[in-house]
Amino acid sequence: DQQVKQNSPSLSVQEGRISILNCDYTNSMFDYFLWYKKYPAEGPTFLISISSIKDKNEDGRFTVFLNKSAKHLSLHIVPSQPGDSAVYFCAASAVGGATNKLIFGTGTLLAVQP
Amino acid sequence: EPEVTQTPSHQVTQMGQEVILRCVPISNHLYFYWYRQILGQKVEFLVSFYNNEISEKSEIFDDQFSVERPDGSNFTLKIRSTKLEDSAMYFCASRKASGSSYEQYFGPGTRLTVT
Repeated sequence: DQQVKQNSPSLSVQEGRISILNCDYTNSMFDYFLWYKKYPAEGPTFLISISSIKDKNEDGRFTVFLNKSAKHLSLHIVPSQPGDSAVYFCAASAVGGATNKLIFGTGTLLAVQP
Repeated sequence: EPEVTQTPSHQVTQMGQEVILRCVPISNHLYFYWYRQILGQKVEFLVSFYNNEISEKSEIFDDQFSVERPDGSNFTLKIRSTKLEDSAMYFCASRKASGSSYEQYFGPGTRLTVT
């Protein structure tokens, strides 16, 4: 069951540059998308979300872009900082459902080099 | 800032034993969830709970699993007879009532090791 895919298991970026993390989904019923950041031995921390009625949402250094026709979303981090080094998970939900359960991707390990 | 808490942080148990994982969701949240992450795999949905009943459960959530909200603050996951394959990180999550925001906030997790 690969409804949400993150095809890059890892990404290395220099401090100060842009980090772009990508996510693809297959289920057309998904209409709400979220990015979580996770450190080892901790729970996922919510970063930013976007509804399918928008194509962009920005919060400080973090911007999420949604391309519904391509079933693709991306997270941009500008500028990247060493403290951003973590695993980033994309998650999707169908908000019209009873539960809004989250379907997660496999994660991308971001390493920001000083 | 309010946060989801979970206890214990690590639980070691023998196969066949019962375990109870505890969670205290954020106080004004109404939807509660359990997820798990087996080492090296993705985070998987187990069960959702709203208005004192299960609203959805996954195929993983079989008769060995149960959830309960015994009082106004705690939310528990019970595994009646643990199996080796139940070893995983278990995350509790909660979110507000319906509105325009559907973010779920996760606890730090309980690492369950079944030997």
